[in-house]
Amino acid sequence: EAQVTQNPRYLITVTGKKLTVTCSQNMNHEYMSWYRQDPGLGLRQIYYSMNVEVTDKGDVPEGYKVSRKEKRNFPLILESPSPNQTSLYFCASSLSRTGLGGYTFGSGTRLTVV
Amino acid sequence: GESVGLHLPTLSVQEGDNSIINCAYSNSASDYFIWYKQESGKGPQFIIDIRSNMDKRQGQRVTVLLNKTVKHLSLQIAATQPGDSAVYFCAENISGTYKYIFGTGTRLKVLA
Repeated sequence: EAQVTQNPRYLITVTGKKLTVTCSQNMNHEYMSWYRQDPGLGLRQIYYSMNVEVTDKGDVPEGYKVSRKEKRNFPLILESPSPNQTSLYFCASSLSRTGLGGYTFGSGTRLTVV
Repeated sequence: GESVGLHLPTLSVQEGDNSIINCAYSNSASDYFIWYKQESGKGPQFIIDIRSNMDKRQGQRVTVLLNKTVKHLSLQIAATQPGDSAVYFCAENISGTYKYIFGTGTRLKVLA
């Protein structure tokens, strides 16, 4: 089944403790992206990647890092999480760089930073 | 499950009736639009898309209408079913960029 897999689904952590949210897609998509979803706001892009070793900042990149060492994986790294990073995170991928035909989203990771 | 927001506008529709969900987009330079459906505890799912050179596009039980004059997009769902209950939001692509602006969404509740 074609899908984007994120792990973990739920995570509670403490301020300052480094964490990684993994994302993997099995569709051979070139384009991958991370979004956060907060009440009252639309999805906001954190980082995106056009291909292996090619990443760029989205609208809200502060406090996050990403890497794209393999085509299928695009982990999101929070080096020193803070409470304002408590959110619902989605990884997405697309065959087209322009997103034509829509993105395939993962099921989400609910992160709480206390 | 994951909640996309407690303050979303809500549309309640009787099962079997038609639903119309609206979206006002922000950028007159946007030339491609997508409707997504997000069920509780799941990621957004592509429903239908439309380019700015079209006014209307139909899928299976869904129709998207685009009015560029007033920057308005609507999603019509025919014969609404309980499985249609979800949050629906639109996304616009700004021409010449890879950037999408996502709406905040409308919660659709289907009443039995």
